[in-house]
Amino acid sequence: QQPVQSPQAVILREGEDAVINCSSSKALYSVHWYRQKHGEAPVFLMILLKGGEQKGHDKISASFNEKKQQSSLYLTASQLSYSGTYFCGTEYNQGGKLIFGQGTELSVKP
Amino acid sequence: NAGVTQTPKFQVLKTGQSMTLQCAQDMNHNSMYWYRQDPGMGLRLIYYSASEGTTDKGEVPNGYNVSRLNKREFSLRLESAAPSQTSVYFCASSANDRDRWARSNQPQHFGDGTRLSIL
Repeated sequence: QQPVQSPQAVILREGEDAVINCSSSKALYSVHWYRQKHGEAPVFLMILLKGGEQKGHDKISASFNEKKQQSSLYLTASQLSYSGTYFCGTEYNQGGKLIFGQGTELSVKP
Repeated sequence: NAGVTQTPKFQVLKTGQSMTLQCAQDMNHNSMYWYRQDPGMGLRLIYYSASEGTTDKGEVPNGYNVSRLNKREFSLRLESAAPSQTSVYFCASSANDRDRWARSNQPQHFGDGTRLSIL
């Protein structure tokens, strides 16, 4: 039931783009995205809802493909501050309980 | 702007000892959650509370108990600590109200974590 994230890790140079995917084998109600820097708490980025409504961050975008039960997080023109581990959290019904993926570690180098 | 406050930040226990991790939020949120985070495993839900007076099991509840003391506070208790419970524990809260659609799908706000080692 845990969603699968890919890739597990990615290294970028400043200014490059990245896509992080989150796939579920079960129908999704919503997908949350969080970023966690080393030794810190996860921080909310974005929520995507079934039916297409999107909430969240204005410098990072995301999509939700209901047919494929997949969400993708797009980071464009990456900055050093984008480094961290990105987690998707999936919700299967309107209950507020999230199941998190294993994380994608993103490193942005100068 | 304290948000979600967890105490203690660090703790070392011996196998078999008991301990309660404390969590308090000042955002008037209905829902609160306890997660554990282990390397390569992401965040796993231990227990959650959708509202004051209710608690439900998450993915990994064995060996833990919780208490939603009031709307602000949600504690996690290890009755007899085991080395497998060595982890970083995060508490989170959200404004989710599952009985009101307009108040669902709210972000979760996390505390700074408690780093717990059991020898």
